[in-house]
Amino acid sequence: DIVMTQSPDSLAVSLGERATINCKSSQTLLYSSNNKNYLGWYQQKPGQPPKLLIYWASTRESGVPDRFSGSGSGTDFTLTISSLQAEDVAVYYCQQYHATPTFGQGTKVEVK
Amino acid sequence: QVQLQESGPGLVKPSETLSLTCAVSGFSISSDYYWGWIRQPPGKGLEWIASVYHRGSTYYSPSLRSRLTISVDTSKNHFSLNLRSVTATDTAVYYCARTLGSSGPDVFDIWGQGTMVTVSS
Repeated sequence: DIVMTQSPDSLAVSLGERATINCKSSQTLLYSSNNKNYLGWYQQKPGQPPKLLIYWASTRESGVPDRFSGSGSGTDFTLTISSLQAEDVAVYYCQQYHATPTFGQGTKVEVK
Repeated sequence: QVQLQESGPGLVKPSETLSLTCAVSGFSISSDYYWGWIRQPPGKGLEWIASVYHRGSTYYSPSLRSRLTISVDTSKNHFSLNLRSVTATDTAVYYCARTLGSSGPDVFDIWGQGTMVTVSS
């Protein structure tokens, strides 16, 4: 299995400030044949299923606000919320699909 | 509008088989996507379990493979999961979901609301 490790486990950010979540994989998620990173990001609010935010490491899913962005390549990836809104309070997960899917342990984002 | 709805027993006894079904509405399960199961123990993270294509191609979590069967019923537009020999560690919310693409391992863009399954005698 490819192991996904997120950091930090939780963070508190003031409204309007930037939130940054890191995700590291135990193997590269980059396929050289198509130059794509097989990495996605989800948001999960209490009592709800996860919501897909980002795929191919940096492609925003339709309808996702542009304050959410993904970056990185190979084994190191980042989800950035450029200006935290109250509705962004949630747990965020990364997921690799380079092999059989695995998720990071999650990062809880709260308002400071 | 694509909707997925899980159904299951709620409570299963240890050593028995957990059977779950995901009904797909607003979309044909025979379309060019994979369909999967993901679970989440109470207060914990997400674990992918298995995925299936309508033509029968399947892939399973290596850690659960020996206890799993996933299948598709195109006539009923649903897919199912059987997990054998359950223990308390299988207690979780079980989600069904559709993949974004059609080429095997992928992200999941549409999810059901989840069904809670408790393993207890």
